[in-house]
Amino acid sequence: AQRVTQPEKLLSVFKGAPVELKCNYSYSGSPELFWYVQYSRQRLQLLLRHISRESIKGFTADLNKGETSFHLKKPFAQEEDSAMYYCALSGGETSGSRLTFGEGTQLTVNP
Amino acid sequence: SAVISQKPSRDICQRGTSLTIQCQVDSQVTMMFWYRQQPGQSLTLIATANQGSEATYESGFVIDKFPISRPNLTFSTLTVSNMSPEDSSIYLCSVRGQGRPGYTFGSGTRLTVV
Repeated sequence: AQRVTQPEKLLSVFKGAPVELKCNYSYSGSPELFWYVQYSRQRLQLLLRHISRESIKGFTADLNKGETSFHLKKPFAQEEDSAMYYCALSGGETSGSRLTFGEGTQLTVNP
Repeated sequence: SAVISQKPSRDICQRGTSLTIQCQVDSQVTMMFWYRQQPGQSLTLIATANQGSEATYESGFVIDKFPISRPNLTFSTLTVSNMSPEDSSIYLCSVRGQGRPGYTFGSGTRLTVV
């Protein structure tokens, strides 16, 4: 079974402060981890994928297999980062390529 | 990445009726996925739709309630049957792109059952 846990339902920071959105997962094989973001009244869109090891909009996320975590970080939060963030896991073709989502974290960046 | 057109974007339906949601993709994809997002909750996978075979349903979802069609590699429909207020949710389709990694999502169908 594959499971994703985002322990914080709500997270509020001030503009310019560092932000970390936590994500832990449970999967017996080699997972693919993703972060998706949903801005107000917009569709869900891919933010990061762990294999790409990229930085998008200043966000980074490192897969820590020992801690089974994939936390999302940004050193200086901006007001436009306010959105709902979902961590998601895919077990690849062995699990039917299904994507399992965490409960989401609503990030609010205050001015 | 694939572009998904999903419709209707929203609807208000009477209980006991059915609604069919359409998902059109601008490229051929093997697997399409249907999700439900209940108010204030995360996305839950309903089923995986492969072209040429019956859809695979997740635990808690059945074909009689959520029949799915997948007539070709670019199109799928999800029907929410015999609706009740508990079916009020956002329904989303998703595909896994061949090129850019990750899954692409439709804009969703916001369903309200009264």
